[in-house]
Formats: sequence, C-alpha cells, structure tokens
Amino acid sequence: DAGVIQSPRHEVTEMGQEVTLRCKPISGHNSLFWYRQTMMRGLELLIYFNNNVPIDDSGMPEDRFSAKMPNASFSTLKIQPSEPRDSAVYFCASSSGTGAAGGGDEQFFGPGTRLTVL
Amino acid sequence: AQKITQTQPGMFVQEKEAVTLDCTYDTSDPSYGLFWYKQPSSGEMIFLIYQGSYDQQNATEGRYSLNFQKARKSANLVISASQLGDSAMYFCAMREAYNQGGKLIFGQGTELSVKP
Repeated sequence: DAGVIQSPRHEVTEMGQEVTLRCKPISGHNSLFWYRQTMMRGLELLIYFNNNVPIDDSGMPEDRFSAKMPNASFSTLKIQPSEPRDSAVYFCASSSGTGAAGGGDEQFFGPGTRLTVL
Repeated sequence: AQKITQTQPGMFVQEKEAVTLDCTYDTSDPSYGLFWYKQPSSGEMIFLIYQGSYDQQNATEGRYSLNFQKARKSANLVISASQLGDSAMYFCAMREAYNQGGKLIFGQGTELSVKP
C-alpha cells in the first residue's frame, strides 16, 4: 500500500522565489497535517485539515505561507517569497480519525521535503 | 510552558540491554493521547506506540512498552533488548481531545545510540 507521498524530496531555491510542496495522503484518510522540522525549533505543526477544511493554521509562520487542500487526495504548501530561514524539512502526515477524545489514530508521515533557500 | 518535555538530548545503551527514554507532559485536558515516534537517520517518522489517558494498562508493542504514570504526567518509552537498528531520534508527542482533528505536539526528541 502506498504511504503518504511528498514531492519534491529535495528543493534548493534562491531567496525570493516561490516554492510549492506537494502531498498526497493515504487513501481514505480524512485528516492531513503539515509539519516543519528544524534543529532550533524541532517539529512544529504548521496547519492541518479535516475533510479538506483547514482547522487550525495558527502554526503558519506568516503570510508568506499558504496551504490548500482542493480535494481529499492532494494538498500543497506554498511559500512566496521564500527566505533562508524557511530552510527546513517539511513533513506531510495523514490520519484516518478526527482525533476526538484523544483518540489513538496515529499519523502516518511522508518522507519529507528538504528545502534549502539560498 | 512546554507541553512535552524530553530531558535527555542523547542516550547510549549497550546492544541487547533495555533502555528508558523519558517524557513528561503538561495538560489540563482529562482526555488525551500520548505517542512515540522514531526518526532514523534516513529522516522518516515511524509511529511506535500509543497510550490513551483512560487506558488502564500500559501499552505494549513488541519490544516497545510505555510506562504510563498519570499522576506524574510521565509517559516513558521502554525499549527492551536493544538492537543496532534502534539507533535513532525518538519523539514523544501528545494530542489533547479539545484539538479537533488531532493536532500533535512534539517534544524535542532524544537521540539514542546503541553500542555493539
């Protein structure tokens, strides 16, 4: 079975350029999460969707970041314009439950996109 | 305040021995879940084990067990019979029930090194 698919796996770009990260969740999962991992800040949630609707985007750093989920099988995270401090590994994860009552439905992570902004 | 605290940045263990990775959490929500993930050097995040706040027994999954002490708000991961392939970063995470949709909050991680 295919897991969470992310593309590209690596992205090197120059400051000021637009970057688009893509994610395909596991089929049938109704929650999707975007995380960012850096040495300084660890793993932090940027935004998550439930049934394609953004539920919490309080982790999105600033207006340069935007995320969409046009359908159940695709999501994008866009950074425009990119800055060197955006360099990080970006993970997409999906899960099958709503997480209500602290439920145990685990999140399955994609392989991540390593972004380097020069 | 930190919601998830992992006080051990790095740990060493001899192959075939058991090791405990510490995790304490902070929440006022009576309903929550605790998770452990493994991140090997290749970078992927691998789910290991889950403990619900209302679970009466400690969770176990193969060589992994969770030492859940609710009053102390701790959820330590115990790995028995360590293997070289266990060398990785380990993250503790929590989900609170009021976070509809299942937002996870992660600790800073513990890097485990298994020595032959």
